[in-house]
Amino acid sequence: AQSVTQLGSHVSVSEGALVLLRCNYSSSVPPYLFWYVQYPNQGLQLLLKYTSAATLVKGINGFEAEFKKSETSFHLTKPSAHMSDAAEYFCAVISDTGRRALTFGSGTRLQVQP
Amino acid sequence: DGGITQSPKYLFRKEGQNVTLSCEQNLNHDAMYWYRQDPGQGLRLIYYSQIVNDFQKGDIAEGYSVSREKKESFPLTVTSAQKNPTAFYLCASSIGGSSGNTIYFGEGSWLTVV
Repeated sequence: AQSVTQLGSHVSVSEGALVLLRCNYSSSVPPYLFWYVQYPNQGLQLLLKYTSAATLVKGINGFEAEFKKSETSFHLTKPSAHMSDAAEYFCAVISDTGRRALTFGSGTRLQVQP
Repeated sequence: DGGITQSPKYLFRKEGQNVTLSCEQNLNHDAMYWYRQDPGQGLRLIYYSQIVNDFQKGDIAEGYSVSREKKESFPLTVTSAQKNPTAFYLCASSIGGSSGNTIYFGEGSWLTVV
């Protein structure tokens, strides 16, 4: 079975500071990994995904994530936080074997202080 | 515009009633999914379908039912057997094939028991 752990249900940063949201996964087969963002009362929007092409993945809105197999991690970063980044962020895992549906972490709510 | 349409946005259910949430996509996607979102618990998979006339249970299928008679439609029925249905429900779809293909989400439906 696959699983995702997101450390920190709430993260608060100052505007302009580094954003780091942590995601660790468990998978017995090569995984595909995703980061989604959710604004209040809305659906999920894809930020970026890892599909084995490159370990450093760049996404929308200046976010990027690095796949580290040895650490089973896929942490999300952004060099400089903006007020508009305040939202909930979800990490998810899926593979080409077994259940063909995303398994999500419990989410991290990002607050950006002025 | 291409996308995933969920309706209604807000729905109220009386005790003992069945209700159906609609999900329609015009993206020509083969795979469709239903997730339930509760605060602090991330998204949990209810049902998914990889192809028309076929679907599989997810982690929390009890008290729910689905059908997939048409490629573009994947309605979710919340039955009276679901004892705690108040939640945000998200429908999603993907082109299918590789699990690395992006899964897109609708805007969600709020269901409240009154």
